[in-house]
Amino acid sequence: NAGVTQTPKFQVLKTGQSMTLQCAQDMNHEYMSWYRQDPGMGLRLIHYSVGAGITDQGEVPNGYNVSRSTTEDFPLRLLSAAPSQTSVYFCASSRRATGRIKNIQYFGAGTRLSVL
Amino acid sequence: KNQVEQSPQSLIILEGKNCTLQCNYTVSPFSNLRWYKQDTGRGPVSLTIMTFSENTKSNGRYTATLDADTKQSSLHITASQLSDSASYICVVSGRGGADGLTFGKGTHLIIQP
Repeated sequence: NAGVTQTPKFQVLKTGQSMTLQCAQDMNHEYMSWYRQDPGMGLRLIHYSVGAGITDQGEVPNGYNVSRSTTEDFPLRLLSAAPSQTSVYFCASSRRATGRIKNIQYFGAGTRLSVL
Repeated sequence: KNQVEQSPQSLIILEGKNCTLQCNYTVSPFSNLRWYKQDTGRGPVSLTIMTFSENTKSNGRYTATLDADTKQSSLHITASQLSDSASYICVVSGRGGADGLTFGKGTHLIIQP
C-alpha cells in the first residue's frame, strides 16, 4: 500500500529557479492538499483540490501554482524560488466527508526544500 | 480568528510513565477534532478523530477526550514507550472541506529510557 507518495524527499534550489514537487495517491481520494511546515508554526495550507480539474487557494498561496488533471496526482510548482520558501512541504489526501465518513487525512513523508 | 492552542510546547518523561497533552480551541463552526502523531522526518499520522457527540476515543495506549462546552481536548498516553517520542498535533475541523482545518503548533514529547 503506497498511500501518498511525495518526490523528491530533499531539494536545494537557488533563488529564482523553478521546480515541481510531485504528489501521488493511490486511494482514489477526492481531496488533496499541500501544506508547508515551518519551525514553531502549525501546518499551513497552500493550495487544495476537491477533485480533478478543481483547485483553490489556501492560507499561503503566493509563489505557488497547482493543477489537478487526474484524481491521483497533485503537483505543486514553485515558479521563482525565494529563500522564504525554504520549508518542509507535505501533501495530504482524504475522502470527501459525507454523513458518517470523516475526511481523515493521509500525509506523505514530506519534501525538505532549501532555497539559497 | 480560528485558533488552536496546545500545551505544553515540549515535555520530557521517563519510559513507562503516563502523560497528558492539552488542546484548547476557538473554532466555529465545529465539525470534529483530530490528534495526529508526527515522528521526526515523517508526515503526520492520524491517531483519533472525534465529533461533537463523542467525548472520548481510544487508540491503543492513546486516549483522547473532548469537552465541546469548554472547547478543550486532551490526549492521554499510558505506559509510555520510546517509540512515543514525537510531535503530537491537535487539528480542529470547522467545516467539511480541506480548507476548514486549523492546526495547532504541536507538543514535542521526548521519552527517556
